[in-house]
Amino acid sequence: NAGVMQNPRHLVRRRGQEARLRCSPMKGHSHVYWYRQLPEEGLKFMVYLQKENIIDESGMPKERFSAEFPKEGPSILRIQQVVRGDSAAYFCASSPTSGTVNTGELFFGEGSRLTVL
Amino acid sequence: GESVGLHLPTLSVQEGDNSIINCAYSNSASDYFIWYKQESGKGPQFIIDIRSNMDKRQGQRVTVLLNKTVKHLSLQIAATQPGDSAVYFCAENMNTDKLIFGTGTRLQVFP
Repeated sequence: NAGVMQNPRHLVRRRGQEARLRCSPMKGHSHVYWYRQLPEEGLKFMVYLQKENIIDESGMPKERFSAEFPKEGPSILRIQQVVRGDSAAYFCASSPTSGTVNTGELFFGEGSRLTVL
Repeated sequence: GESVGLHLPTLSVQEGDNSIINCAYSNSASDYFIWYKQESGKGPQFIIDIRSNMDKRQGQRVTVLLNKTVKHLSLQIAATQPGDSAVYFCAENMNTDKLIFGTGTRLQVFP
């Protein structure tokens, strides 16, 4: 059973470019969460999605950031016109269809590390 | 803002000793807590969880203690091994759809 797959693992962008981060949840999981982690800090919640729906985006910056989880294919976190402050590790997690965070069944990927030059 | 924090940013222990990692939380409405381990360059890995109706839960070599009176959570690792070296995060949930993570404690194990 493959775990949560994220790609790319490392991404370098210049200021003003776009970054696209992809996340394929574990098989059978339809709940996806995105977190951001700055160096030496904890993970900050960004967005929670189910298939074709954004459930909670309270942690997403109002501008330049968007997320989707289409019916087919991976979840995408998109950052437009990146700035240096966007440099961070972005982690995706998934949970089972019938599970919630309260069951502890939140499985994390290895992360995508974005560096903005 | 963040409601979960840790007392010690770095903990150094000798191999074979027991480790205790502490966590304070400020939201009394939190009803579920998880400890995660994160090795360098990797994603967080679930270690153990505990619900607010419990005060202790044991796993393999790990024990989580919850003191709701003082809003304190701890992770005890018995017979610490070099492979336990990592950053440990506590996270809380308030019956919502997201976890709130603490800052983390780095555990260093020396031979």
